[in-house]
Amino acid sequence: DGGITQSPKYLFRKEGQNVTLSCEQNLNHDAMYWYRQDPGQGLRLIYYSQIVNDFQKGDIAEGYSVSREKKESFPLTVTSAQKNPTAFYLCASSLRGTNEKLFFGSGTQLSVL
Amino acid sequence: RKEVEQDPGPFNVPEGATVAFNCTYSNSASQSFFWYRQDCRKEPKLLMSVYSSGNEDGRFTAQLNRASQYISLLIRDSKLSDSATYLCVVNMPDDMRFGAGTRLTVKP
Repeated sequence: DGGITQSPKYLFRKEGQNVTLSCEQNLNHDAMYWYRQDPGQGLRLIYYSQIVNDFQKGDIAEGYSVSREKKESFPLTVTSAQKNPTAFYLCASSLRGTNEKLFFGSGTQLSVL
Repeated sequence: RKEVEQDPGPFNVPEGATVAFNCTYSNSASQSFFWYRQDCRKEPKLLMSVYSSGNEDGRFTAQLNRASQYISLLIRDSKLSDSATYLCVVNMPDDMRFGAGTRLTVKP
Protein backbone atom coordinates (compact mmCIF):
# COMPACT_ATOMS: atom_id res chain seq x y z
CA ASP A 1 0.00 0.00 0.00
CA GLY A 2 1.23 3.50 -0.79
CA GLY A 3 1.62 5.90 2.02
CA ILE A 4 3.79 8.19 4.08
CA THR A 5 5.71 6.86 7.06
CA GLN A 6 7.16 8.80 9.96
CA SER A 7 9.48 7.40 12.57
CA PRO A 8 9.92 7.19 15.43
CA LYS A 9 6.48 7.73 16.97
CA TYR A 10 8.04 9.07 20.19
CA LEU A 11 11.47 10.66 20.54
CA PHE A 12 13.31 12.11 23.50
CA ARG A 13 16.07 14.67 23.19
CA LYS A 14 18.73 15.57 25.70
CA GLU A 15 19.99 19.12 26.12
CA GLY A 16 22.43 20.08 23.37
CA GLN A 17 21.64 17.06 21.25
CA ASN A 18 20.63 16.99 17.60
CA VAL A 19 17.91 14.52 16.66
CA THR A 20 16.59 13.49 13.26
CA LEU A 21 13.00 12.64 12.42
CA SER A 22 12.43 10.36 9.46
CA CYS A 23 9.80 10.82 6.76
CA GLU A 24 9.45 8.45 3.80
CA GLN A 25 6.76 8.30 1.13
CA ASN A 26 6.12 5.86 -1.70
CA LEU A 27 3.34 7.89 -3.33
CA ASN A 28 5.68 9.36 -5.96
CA HIS A 29 4.83 12.83 -4.67
CA ASP A 30 7.06 15.74 -5.63
CA ALA A 31 6.29 18.00 -2.67
CA MET A 32 7.00 17.25 0.97
CA TYR A 33 6.41 19.33 4.07
CA TRP A 34 7.28 19.45 7.76
CA TYR A 35 4.86 20.99 10.26
CA ARG A 36 5.07 21.57 13.98
CA GLN A 37 1.98 21.48 16.20
CA ASP A 38 1.91 22.67 19.79
CA PRO A 39 -0.91 21.71 22.18
CA GLY A 40 -4.15 23.43 21.23
CA GLN A 41 -2.51 25.12 18.25
CA GLY A 42 -2.68 24.76 14.49
CA LEU A 43 0.06 23.51 12.22
CA ARG A 44 3.03 25.75 11.53
CA LEU A 45 5.24 25.19 8.52
CA ILE A 46 8.91 24.48 9.23
CA TYR A 47 10.33 23.57 5.81
CA TYR A 48 9.00 22.38 2.49
CA SER A 49 10.43 20.93 -0.68
CA GLN A 50 8.83 21.00 -4.11
CA ILE A 51 11.53 18.99 -5.85
CA VAL A 52 14.57 16.86 -5.12
CA ASN A 53 17.68 18.79 -3.99
CA ASP A 54 15.67 21.92 -3.29
CA PHE A 55 13.84 23.12 -0.18
CA GLN A 56 12.50 26.34 1.26
CA LYS A 57 12.14 27.73 4.78
CA GLY A 58 8.69 27.98 6.23
CA ASP A 59 7.53 30.25 9.02
CA ILE A 60 9.55 28.70 11.86
CA ALA A 61 12.70 27.25 10.28
CA GLU A 62 15.16 28.50 12.91
CA GLY A 63 16.76 25.63 14.79
CA TYR A 64 15.80 23.06 12.17
CA SER A 65 17.46 21.66 9.07
CA VAL A 66 16.33 19.36 6.25
CA SER A 67 17.66 17.56 3.21
CA ARG A 68 15.98 16.22 0.08
CA GLU A 69 18.51 13.92 -1.57
CA LYS A 70 15.83 11.48 -2.74
CA LYS A 71 12.28 12.04 -3.86
CA GLU A 72 10.96 9.58 -1.26
CA SER A 73 12.74 10.98 1.76
CA PHE A 74 12.64 14.30 3.63
CA PRO A 75 14.32 13.98 7.06
CA LEU A 76 14.09 16.78 9.59
CA THR A 77 16.90 17.48 12.07
CA VAL A 78 16.06 19.34 15.24
CA THR A 79 19.30 21.01 16.24
CA SER A 80 20.52 22.14 19.63
CA ALA A 81 19.74 25.69 18.48
CA GLN A 82 16.02 24.93 18.78
CA LYS A 83 15.46 25.86 22.41
CA ASN A 84 11.85 24.72 22.68
CA PRO A 85 11.61 21.56 20.61
CA THR A 86 8.83 19.78 22.51
CA ALA A 87 5.97 19.43 20.04
CA PHE A 88 4.12 17.09 17.71
CA TYR A 89 5.83 16.97 14.30
CA LEU A 90 3.91 16.08 11.16
CA CYS A 91 5.32 15.27 7.76
CA ALA A 92 3.14 15.54 4.65
CA SER A 93 3.42 15.09 0.92
CA SER A 94 1.43 16.06 -2.14
CA LEU A 95 1.50 16.07 -5.91
CA ARG A 96 2.47 19.42 -7.37
CA GLY A 97 -0.42 21.17 -9.05
CA THR A 98 -3.32 23.48 -8.49
CA ASN A 99 -5.52 21.10 -6.55
CA GLU A 100 -3.11 19.33 -4.27
CA LYS A 101 -4.30 17.31 -1.32
CA LEU A 102 -1.95 16.68 1.56
CA PHE A 103 -1.24 13.19 2.80
CA PHE A 104 0.11 13.04 6.34
CA GLY A 105 2.32 10.69 8.26
CA SER A 106 1.16 9.63 11.71
CA GLY A 107 3.41 12.12 13.47
CA THR A 108 6.35 12.13 15.90
CA GLN A 109 6.01 13.41 19.45
CA LEU A 110 9.33 14.96 20.47
CA SER A 111 10.03 15.68 24.12
CA VAL A 112 13.03 17.08 25.96
CA LEU A 113 14.55 15.09 28.82
CA ARG B 1 -3.19 39.61 9.57
CA LYS B 2 -2.84 35.83 9.50
CA GLU B 3 -2.97 34.22 6.09
CA VAL B 4 -5.68 31.77 7.16
CA GLU B 5 -7.99 32.51 10.09
CA GLN B 6 -10.63 30.31 11.63
CA ASP B 7 -13.36 30.75 14.22
CA PRO B 8 -11.51 30.37 17.52
CA GLY B 9 -14.03 28.02 19.12
CA PRO B 10 -14.34 25.83 21.06
CA PHE B 11 -17.81 24.80 19.98
CA ASN B 12 -19.76 22.67 22.46
CA VAL B 13 -23.03 21.42 20.97
CA PRO B 14 -25.62 18.75 21.80
CA GLU B 15 -26.12 15.72 19.61
CA GLY B 16 -28.31 16.48 16.64
CA ALA B 17 -27.35 20.15 16.47
CA THR B 18 -26.26 21.95 13.33
CA VAL B 19 -22.92 23.73 13.58
CA ALA B 20 -21.04 25.94 11.12
CA PHE B 21 -17.39 26.94 10.93
CA ASN B 22 -15.92 29.77 8.90
CA CYS B 23 -12.43 30.34 7.60
CA THR B 24 -11.03 33.44 5.88
CA TYR B 25 -7.90 33.67 3.74
CA SER B 26 -5.81 36.65 2.74
CA ASN B 27 -4.28 35.66 -0.60
CA SER B 28 -6.71 36.14 -3.48
CA ALA B 29 -4.48 33.97 -5.69
CA SER B 30 -5.24 30.91 -3.55
CA GLN B 31 -6.17 28.03 -5.77
CA SER B 32 -7.75 25.24 -3.78
CA PHE B 33 -9.31 24.74 -0.40
CA PHE B 34 -9.86 21.85 1.98
CA TRP B 35 -11.31 20.92 5.33
CA TYR B 36 -9.33 18.41 7.40
CA ARG B 37 -10.35 16.70 10.60
CA GLN B 38 -7.83 16.02 13.34
CA ASP B 39 -8.34 13.86 16.40
CA CYS B 40 -6.17 14.43 19.46
CA ARG B 41 -2.50 13.65 18.76
CA LYS B 42 -3.31 12.08 15.41
CA GLU B 43 -2.53 13.20 11.89
CA PRO B 44 -5.07 15.40 10.07
CA LYS B 45 -7.28 13.54 7.63
CA LEU B 46 -8.98 15.01 4.61
CA LEU B 47 -12.67 15.59 5.26
CA MET B 48 -13.56 17.28 2.00
CA SER B 49 -12.35 19.55 -0.74
CA VAL B 50 -14.18 22.83 -1.26
CA TYR B 51 -15.39 23.82 -4.71
CA SER B 52 -16.75 27.11 -5.98
CA SER B 53 -20.16 25.58 -6.59
CA GLY B 54 -20.33 24.21 -3.05
CA ASN B 55 -20.31 20.52 -2.29
CA GLU B 56 -22.07 18.15 0.03
CA ASP B 57 -21.07 14.81 1.49
CA GLY B 58 -23.77 13.34 3.68
CA ARG B 59 -24.20 15.57 6.71
CA PHE B 60 -21.32 17.84 5.68
CA THR B 61 -21.59 20.82 3.34
CA ALA B 62 -18.66 22.98 2.27
CA GLN B 63 -18.87 26.30 0.47
CA LEU B 64 -16.40 28.75 -1.02
CA ASN B 65 -16.94 32.48 -1.49
CA ARG B 66 -14.05 33.81 -3.58
CA ALA B 67 -15.30 37.40 -3.58
CA SER B 68 -15.24 37.57 0.21
CA GLN B 69 -12.34 35.14 0.53
CA TYR B 70 -13.86 32.68 2.95
CA ILE B 71 -14.85 29.05 3.11
CA SER B 72 -17.35 27.40 5.40
CA LEU B 73 -18.18 23.96 6.74
CA LEU B 74 -21.68 23.03 7.90
CA ILE B 75 -22.32 19.88 9.92
CA ARG B 76 -25.93 18.78 10.26
CA ASP B 77 -27.34 16.32 12.80
CA SER B 78 -24.04 16.24 14.67
CA LYS B 79 -22.88 12.95 16.20
CA LEU B 80 -20.67 12.26 19.20
CA SER B 81 -18.10 10.94 16.75
CA ASP B 82 -17.87 14.37 15.08
CA SER B 83 -15.95 15.63 18.12
CA ALA B 84 -12.56 16.69 16.78
CA THR B 85 -10.60 19.70 15.61
CA TYR B 86 -11.46 20.96 12.14
CA LEU B 87 -8.66 22.54 10.13
CA CYS B 88 -9.12 24.86 7.20
CA VAL B 89 -6.39 24.47 4.59
CA VAL B 90 -5.68 26.87 1.74
CA ASN B 91 -3.42 26.08 -1.20
CA MET B 92 -1.57 29.34 -1.85
CA PRO B 93 0.77 29.89 -4.79
CA ASP B 94 3.85 28.80 -2.85
CA ASP B 95 2.59 26.32 -0.27
CA MET B 96 -0.29 25.03 1.82
CA ARG B 97 -1.41 27.13 4.76
CA PHE B 98 -3.36 25.90 7.76
CA GLY B 99 -5.78 27.65 10.02
CA ALA B 100 -5.27 27.18 13.75
CA GLY B 101 -8.24 24.82 13.88
CA THR B 102 -11.63 24.90 15.57
CA ARG B 103 -12.33 22.43 18.33
CA LEU B 104 -15.79 20.82 18.28
CA THR B 105 -17.21 18.80 21.16
CA VAL B 106 -20.57 17.09 20.64
CA LYS B 107 -22.24 16.12 23.90
CA PRO B 108 -25.01 13.58 24.60
